[in-house]
Amino acid sequence: KAGVTQTPRYLIKTRGQQVTLSCSPISGHRSVSWYQQTPGQGLQFLFEYFSETQRNKGNFPGRFSGRQFSNSRSEMNVSTLELGDSALYLCASSLGAGGNTIYFGEGSWLTVV
Amino acid sequence: SQQGEEDPQALSIQEGENATMNCSYKTSINNLQWYRQNSGRGLVHLILIRSNEREKHSGRLRVTLDTSKKSSSLLITASRAADTASYFCATDANYGQNFVFGPGTRLSVLP
Repeated sequence: KAGVTQTPRYLIKTRGQQVTLSCSPISGHRSVSWYQQTPGQGLQFLFEYFSETQRNKGNFPGRFSGRQFSNSRSEMNVSTLELGDSALYLCASSLGAGGNTIYFGEGSWLTVV
Repeated sequence: SQQGEEDPQALSIQEGENATMNCSYKTSINNLQWYRQNSGRGLVHLILIRSNEREKHSGRLRVTLDTSKKSSSLLITASRAADTASYFCATDANYGQNFVFGPGTRLSVLP
């Protein structure tokens, strides 16, 4: 069974631009969550989608948004990029019920210059 | 503030030795999971332990959970150079998928 797939793996953007990252969950998984990882703040939860609805949200500004499609694929968008948005963005999928293991993709490395 | 805090922050051992990492958390949990991350890669799930469990084993891994002390430990026995990675604990307090991760323990296993 294929794992969680994230695209692109690496990208460089300029301050003020926007970026869209994509995540394809494991087949059959309905929950997709996103995390930001930086050396200073560690792994922080961004949001989680389940059946196309945002079910949980972390403490990030409104510039960070996401959505989930009917096939469970998810995208996250960051608008008006800042230098501090440079990070590894990790997507994780699970069946969605409490106590389920979440499986991570390899991440998308975003560098903002 | 972080829900989970791993200890130590960094650990260096020789191949063949055992490595023990600890995780403390603040609020009641439903589950606690341990993950491994190789540099710049995604997280690999190691073990999930539920709040009503005290110990779980998986190969060379042994995880304990003490809910009265709000702590967990991960023991890697007979370590190998390939075990070199960062290890994170993650807690799930709300039966949701918004796990809270600690800052991790960087393990270096020297050949």
